[in-house]
Amino acid sequence: ETGVTQTPRHLVMGMTNKKSLKCEQHLGHNAMYWYKQSAKKPLELMFVYNFKEQTENNSVPSRFSPECPNSSHLFLHLHTLQPEDSALYLCASSQDHEGASGANVLTFGAGSRLTVL
Amino acid sequence: GQNIDQPTEMTATEGAIVQINCTYQTSGFNGLFWYQQHAGEAPTFLSYNVLDGLEEKGRFSSFLSRSKGYSYLLLKELQMKDSASYLCAVLDSNYQLIWGAGTKLIIKP
Repeated sequence: ETGVTQTPRHLVMGMTNKKSLKCEQHLGHNAMYWYKQSAKKPLELMFVYNFKEQTENNSVPSRFSPECPNSSHLFLHLHTLQPEDSALYLCASSQDHEGASGANVLTFGAGSRLTVL
Repeated sequence: GQNIDQPTEMTATEGAIVQINCTYQTSGFNGLFWYQQHAGEAPTFLSYNVLDGLEEKGRFSSFLSRSKGYSYLLLKELQMKDSASYLCAVLDSNYQLIWGAGTKLIIKP
């Protein structure tokens, strides 16, 4: 398998549930990202991992908890979410996090569509 | 604050040409990206501009004017499969990507 794979593709959960989103990249990239995509809004960067180390956390509520066990895998653990958290969650990877040009081209997964009831 | 503006939606006819504009105000500039996203699919990289001018890739071209804070994506010989959202993003001086909200392009036969 190639590229960036996200599972599950669709998830419906109640506000008291705990679930996890999984992302795997087969590109040998060093940086991985979680983005939130809501309708008619710009992509919102949530978390960045560079060489397995978290380098950014853009004021994301603690009900979202990332985990990066190795440079190929990224998880987003979800608990006690709110209905406004319903969105498409995109995982992406790039060769490196900083630096211009080709190193910053992102390869995205198809996303996990989350609905919070 | 930092801002990227692009039209919310555009409609064009199969076989025609369409230009999708993107204007930006950012803290510094390290390049501008265009991505294509079909409904329910991953965004995919189309182009990267860091110098002024036109970059051509087949039916798609991307233009940049840094002095005007302006870019456009030009799609020629439109095909039905070009119906998608087109995302503009600027890499600022801190190498943070600033995203526009995307332009939904509808192609009609």
